[in-house]
Amino acid sequence: GESVGLHLPTLSVQEGDNSIINCAYSNSASDYFIWYKQESGKGPQFIIDIRSNMDKRQGQRVTVLLNKTVKHLSLQIAATQPGDSAVYFCAESGGSYIPTFGRGTSLIVHP
Amino acid sequence: EPEVTQTPSHQVTQMGQEVILRCVPISNHLYFYWYRQILGQKVEFLVSFYNNEISEKSEIFDDQFSVERPDGSNFTLKIRSTKLEDSAMYFCASSGGSIPYNEQFFGPGTRLTVL
Repeated sequence: GESVGLHLPTLSVQEGDNSIINCAYSNSASDYFIWYKQESGKGPQFIIDIRSNMDKRQGQRVTVLLNKTVKHLSLQIAATQPGDSAVYFCAESGGSYIPTFGRGTSLIVHP
Repeated sequence: EPEVTQTPSHQVTQMGQEVILRCVPISNHLYFYWYRQILGQKVEFLVSFYNNEISEKSEIFDDQFSVERPDGSNFTLKIRSTKLEDSAMYFCASSGGSIPYNEQFFGPGTRLTVL
């Protein structure tokens, strides 16, 4: 039978544009946050992480911003490429270290 | 580059049957995890394993589930009596270092279909 799942939010961008993917987390006690990329048919791939004592962290072409006041996390991808097309999701964890994953955002990059 | 591997890639089983999903974590990693992802839904944590014992588990990881590290390289997830709702992608992950959940490396997953 047909299964009912979550309809993912989708972000469509042109190649070369910058992408911003947002995530609202739920637990104010969370102190560690991770962004993952999941390509079709593959497992999640770690992109970047940030701890709650920071509000910004940069990697290669990616930047994560953390706003603890409003419990918001964002992933910025510079000069988006077709290979960046995937589902991106954030995960949060707190003192128990059990990660809670967000619902994911589908990024579509048009050449 | 070292990677986490999982076998089989796809497992089809009848409801009520036992299944064992296998994982080979990255060799020098100390923490091991299982997650599942029901089609179209979030990735859900099942269990973490460190120093030959379970360190954390979620509500999903009930008595039907068990994990084992039978030797120095394999990490297995057993579901004793599968249910239809166990159909999902199951991902194994591992991480190194002294901090749990720091940069986990995921395997490609095993798709479990329960008929």
